[in-house]
Amino acid sequence: GDSVTQMEGPVTLSEEAFLTINCTYTATGYPSLFWYVQYPGEGLQLLLKATKADDKGSNKGFEATYRKETTSFHLEKGSVQVSDSAVYFCALRMYSGGGADGLTFGKGTHLIIQP
Amino acid sequence: DGGITQSPKYLFRKEGQNVTLSCEQNLNHDAMYWYRQDPGQGLRLIYYSQIVNDFQKGDIAEGYSVSREKKESFPLTVTSAQKNPTAFYLCASRGGATNEKLFFGSGTQLSVL
Repeated sequence: GDSVTQMEGPVTLSEEAFLTINCTYTATGYPSLFWYVQYPGEGLQLLLKATKADDKGSNKGFEATYRKETTSFHLEKGSVQVSDSAVYFCALRMYSGGGADGLTFGKGTHLIIQP
Repeated sequence: DGGITQSPKYLFRKEGQNVTLSCEQNLNHDAMYWYRQDPGQGLRLIYYSQIVNDFQKGDIAEGYSVSREKKESFPLTVTSAQKNPTAFYLCASRGGATNEKLFFGSGTQLSVL
């Protein structure tokens, strides 16, 4: 079945450091790819998405590029802030028509930014 | 403001008791979902509904039940058959077959007394 693998956390960085959170996927076909962010005690919010190969999703200084050849969708940010501390989820969606059309999520990566 | 409202924020269940988690949306979305979140395990799909009066089991439906009598509402009942119910429960909705963005509620933390 479809699956998403992301790097284990927690990831601890200093403010203004460069961030990379790795995400790779397994899917039969060409899924849409997403990054969701969850702040403490809250639900998930869509951070960015890409729907086809070589697309780059971007939002709030975060970027991720859909790499079909490496089946990856790594999340990057050039200079992180304390307010970026959260749990980040990589996810994919295969639209299957009549079947389950929810998302397949990775296990999440807890990011901690220290001042 | 449009959005998804989950209640209560915290819920406690006694042994042998059924409890119901509420999820209401005013986004006019057709599809609604229930996920369970456990530490270190990400999100797992419990049930989903693509239209009123219809719902399907997700990956971990055992011990749970749902109903979808109204478009706006998708309550989840955690039955006594669910032996390990302690988790954070998230409700989500999505509008339209081509709209891939999920909107999430703020979650309900269920604990066993």
